[in-house]
Amino acid sequence: GAGVSQSPSNKVTEKGKDVELRCDPISGHTALYWYRQRLGQGLEFLIYFQGNSAPDKSGLPSDRFSAERTGESVSTLTIQRTQQEDSAVYLCASSLISAGYQETQYFGPGTRLLVL
Amino acid sequence: LAKTTQPISMDSYEGQEVNITCSHNNIATNDYITWYQQFPSQGPRFIIQGYKTKVTNEVASLFIPADRKSSTLSLPRVSLSDTAVYYCLPGGANNLFFGTGTRLTVIP
Repeated sequence: GAGVSQSPSNKVTEKGKDVELRCDPISGHTALYWYRQRLGQGLEFLIYFQGNSAPDKSGLPSDRFSAERTGESVSTLTIQRTQQEDSAVYLCASSLISAGYQETQYFGPGTRLLVL
Repeated sequence: LAKTTQPISMDSYEGQEVNITCSHNNIATNDYITWYQQFPSQGPRFIIQGYKTKVTNEVASLFIPADRKSSTLSLPRVSLSDTAVYYCLPGGANNLFFGTGTRLTVIP
């Protein structure tokens, strides 16, 4: 079946512009995650959606970052007034709703963002 | 605050067994331990998960001692294609902190 898809695969933008990144999770997966990965570094948690619960936004680095999810499907991550330090790969993952233990996360290919 | 530590990098020759140990001193009673593998320019992918003792699948084995404060990922007879970053992720449903991982380089 189809995996997690993300678009665009690459995005180059100018400092100060807004960008919107999209994630299509695996059908039926009620949990969705966004991570940021800077070059040569590990994954940095940004935000987590699970079902109809309020999202866990504890990882968002500033108020320039926001994310929305439509029901249990598509999610968009928006970065306003981009800065050069926002340059990174933005990864999305989805999983079945947690049954109390750690569900496997399935990752998309990521969106490579370059802020000039 | 729970802290997970694992070696930053490891080198191994082809055909050898590789063991990567992760320390998670503050693991909670209900927490599982999951390992992911990440190739360059790709998202991480699940390798193995366990709660205690030993788990084995077609790719790897996971050894977890009785106190569960550490876990060891074992890759038998590595090949060049096993060169990747390996992440240890102890925790429950809401543990989302992957850390920096261990960069494994397999040498011909």
